[in-house]
Amino acid sequence: GAGVSQTPSNKVTEKGKYVELRCDPISGHTALYWYRQSLGQGPEFLIYFQGTGAADDSGLPNDRFFAVRPEGSVSTLKIQRTERGDSAMYLCASSLSWKETQYFGPGTRLLVL
Amino acid sequence: AQTVTQSQPEMSVQEAETVTLSCTYDTSESDYYLFWYKQPPSRQMILVIRQEAYKQQNATENRFSVNFQKAAKSFSLKISDSQLGDAAMYFCAGGGSNYKLTFGKGTLLTVNP
Repeated sequence: GAGVSQTPSNKVTEKGKYVELRCDPISGHTALYWYRQSLGQGPEFLIYFQGTGAADDSGLPNDRFFAVRPEGSVSTLKIQRTERGDSAMYLCASSLSWKETQYFGPGTRLLVL
Repeated sequence: AQTVTQSQPEMSVQEAETVTLSCTYDTSESDYYLFWYKQPPSRQMILVIRQEAYKQQNATENRFSVNFQKAAKSFSLKISDSQLGDAAMYFCAGGGSNYKLTFGKGTLLTVNP
């Protein structure tokens, strides 16, 4: 079946703008995760959804970051008032349930000028 | 909380030879699992292998195998008969009851023809 997809592949924006990053998980996967990967680093956890609810958002760096998953499938990561430090690769992963293997999408590379 | 350490920023191997990538971890949990993921230049994070902590037998997947030393908290990846397509960044990661994956900083593997 189809893997995790993310759009856009790349996003260039100006400081202060609002951006939305989309993740479409593998069909049937109830768990969805967002990670952020800075250059030369491993991914770092941002938020975890089980179904429609955010079960853990402890990795979100500040209140400019928000994520939703209204129907328990597609998720959107929203970043308000972007800053240059937000530039990174944003990875989405999904799994059958919380203890199962996480499968990653290709990521969205965000560049804030 | 988990920590994952990869002490080799870069490794190289000749095509058809064997290479071992090192990873150490620390966790207070008794039920956890460990992964190796591969991230080629195309950037999609691909699962290489998974090991459950309760399993004594080392996981294998074709040319990839792990050496899981639970007491030493060591989890190394052995790649046999290396191929040009194995060239990538390799990340060691751990997960437990808090479902988040904690990643190491990665090891960049170069395969020389």
